[in-house]
Formats: sequence, C-alpha cells, structure tokens
Amino acid sequence: GAVVSQHPSRVICKSGTSVKIECRSLDFQATTMFWYRQFPKQSLMLMATSNEGSKATYEQGVEKDKFLINHASLTLSTLTVTSAHPEDSSFYICSARDGSRANTGELFFGEGSRLTVL
Amino acid sequence: SQQGEEDPQALSIQEGENATMNCSYKTSINNLQWYRQNSGRGLVHLILIRSNEREKHSGRLRVTLDTSKKSSSLLITASRAADTASYFCATVVTNAGKSTFGDGTTLTVKP
Repeated sequence: GAVVSQHPSRVICKSGTSVKIECRSLDFQATTMFWYRQFPKQSLMLMATSNEGSKATYEQGVEKDKFLINHASLTLSTLTVTSAHPEDSSFYICSARDGSRANTGELFFGEGSRLTVL
Repeated sequence: SQQGEEDPQALSIQEGENATMNCSYKTSINNLQWYRQNSGRGLVHLILIRSNEREKHSGRLRVTLDTSKKSSSLLITASRAADTASYFCATVVTNAGKSTFGDGTTLTVKP
C-alpha cells in the first residue's frame, strides 16, 4: 500500500513551453502533498505544500506564478512549470501524506520527474 | 541554515562494516524520519522515531534520538553493496506539519 505515482518520469522541452507533472496517490487519500526540487548531489528543497481544495502554500523564494500547483482531488496534485527556462531543469519530486495517518508524519514519495529544458 | 544537517556528507566503507550517519536539527520536532534515495530515484521511508522515543530498531537499522542535543543517528549494521545510496533525515516540525530534509549522507559500500 501507500504508493505514489509521479508522471512523467522524464521530460525534455523547449525553452518557453510549459510542462505539467502529475502526482497521484494510488491507494490512499492524500490530504496534503508536497513538491520538492532537487539539484544534483543536493538535498530536497521544499517548494510548496498542496492541500486538497485550497491554494498551495509556497516556500519563500518560490515563484507561485512560475510553479503552478493544483490539488483538485484527494488523489491528484499537479505541478506546472510555466514558460520553462534552462535554469528550471531539475529533478522534481512529490510526496504525499496519508490523511488517515497524518499524525505519523510519514511521507510517501513519487519516483521523481527529471525536467530538461533546452 | 537548513533544518536537519547530516554528517558525514560522504561515507565509504567495505561490505560487512557498520555505517553510522548523524543528523542535527534546530527546532522542536514531532518526530524524525530517515529516508533512502538511490541515484535518480524517489525517496524510500526507512524508519520513524517519535520525539518521546530514544532508540528504534528495524532489521539492520538502528536509529537513536537525543532531543536534548537535537540530534539523531542512523546505524546500518553488516552493510551490503546494495546499501549504497544517499540517506536523508527529515524532521516534522511541531505545529508546522511539513517535513524538512537535511543535506544527506552519500554512502558507498564496496563489495
């Protein structure tokens, strides 16, 4: 149980285009999802917290108009990188918290999406 | 600086040896978790230790937590080449709900 599916796993796009990454909880309801960005050989940097049915909470320094997050259902959150540029190239990872086990703090991670902007 | 800092940053050992990684944090926490990440992959949850616990075991893993020193350690006993990965500690900050990750320790286990 507690599987999180992230799609696509790899995406290459041209500069100026927008890219959408999906994060789905397959067998549990994720009241909260988190989006991280990870540069090579570095830690995960929390970008935003996504709560179902409400606006995402962005971390300081993260452009909300650049990284659009939508959490329309209890099993799906999407991250859209708008007007992508080469500096947006990175590994993006989502995680989800099981609403029925929220007090444990345990997170379930997707496999990540590697974005390359040419 | 970031909540949750691991040391060492990199650790290289021979198969069969034990590996110890440490994590320090700054604020009060609900619990602390250790995760493993294979290169280019997502994170896998290893073990969670609550703020009122001092030690926890899971297979070859042993985690300790010292809330007075705001530190935790992860011990992997009898390491295997397959344990080669990056290991991160994550803290769930009291009343904040979100997890913050340390910089990680890259472990290499040589066969």
